[in-house]
Amino acid sequence: DVVMTQSPLSLPVTLGQPASISCRSSQSLVYSDGNTYLNWFQQRPGQSPRRLIYKVSNRDSGVPDRFSGSGSGTDFTLKISRVEAEDVGVYYCMQGTHWPLVTFGQGTRLEIK
Amino acid sequence: EVQLVESGEGLVQPGGSLRLSCAASGFTFSSYAMHWVRQAPGKGLEYVSAISSNGGSTYYADSVKGRFTISRDNSKNTLYLQMGSLRAEDMAVYYCARGEGTTVKTRSFDYWGQGTLVTVSS
Repeated sequence: DVVMTQSPLSLPVTLGQPASISCRSSQSLVYSDGNTYLNWFQQRPGQSPRRLIYKVSNRDSGVPDRFSGSGSGTDFTLKISRVEAEDVGVYYCMQGTHWPLVTFGQGTRLEIK
Repeated sequence: EVQLVESGEGLVQPGGSLRLSCAASGFTFSSYAMHWVRQAPGKGLEYVSAISSNGGSTYYADSVKGRFTISRDNSKNTLYLQMGSLRAEDMAVYYCARGEGTTVKTRSFDYWGQGTLVTVSS
């Protein structure tokens, strides 16, 4: 299986400050079609996951532009430029390149300091 | 607006069975593959099963193969997961999720339901 490793697992952030979450895969996520199928999901407390980013850096409709994704190969990053209270929750990276062995990271819990 | 609403929550004894449903609306259900993803209490996300848009292809994670059956009724816009021989480790919130495209080979899940809880305990 492709192992997705996130860091940090806990991220206390002051409101208005930036935040960054790293996701590393045990194998390259570049697919034979040239795309890299790395996604980011947000799970607010008591809610279901919501996709924020697909194919490394593409923001979903309705996702604030303070969220951005970057990276390549095996190293990826989700950045929040200025954390707001509504950003509290757990963030997961997920790779879809190696279907059917779709795998998620362990999750990073973002809290307000 | 895309909506996925799971139902079928329940408490089941080890070895028992349960059927989950996922009612879809706001999109052409028959044009999308559908998936089940589960989350054990306090744990991360695990990909469980998939079905193509016409129901002709399915996929199961090794952890549920031979015990779970995924199906769909496109006339009712509903996805199902029949779970059998349930074990303690199957206890989780089960989410249905929409894939991108018609085949089981999804690279992402763009919409998720609110989830339904399956408790396995004697």
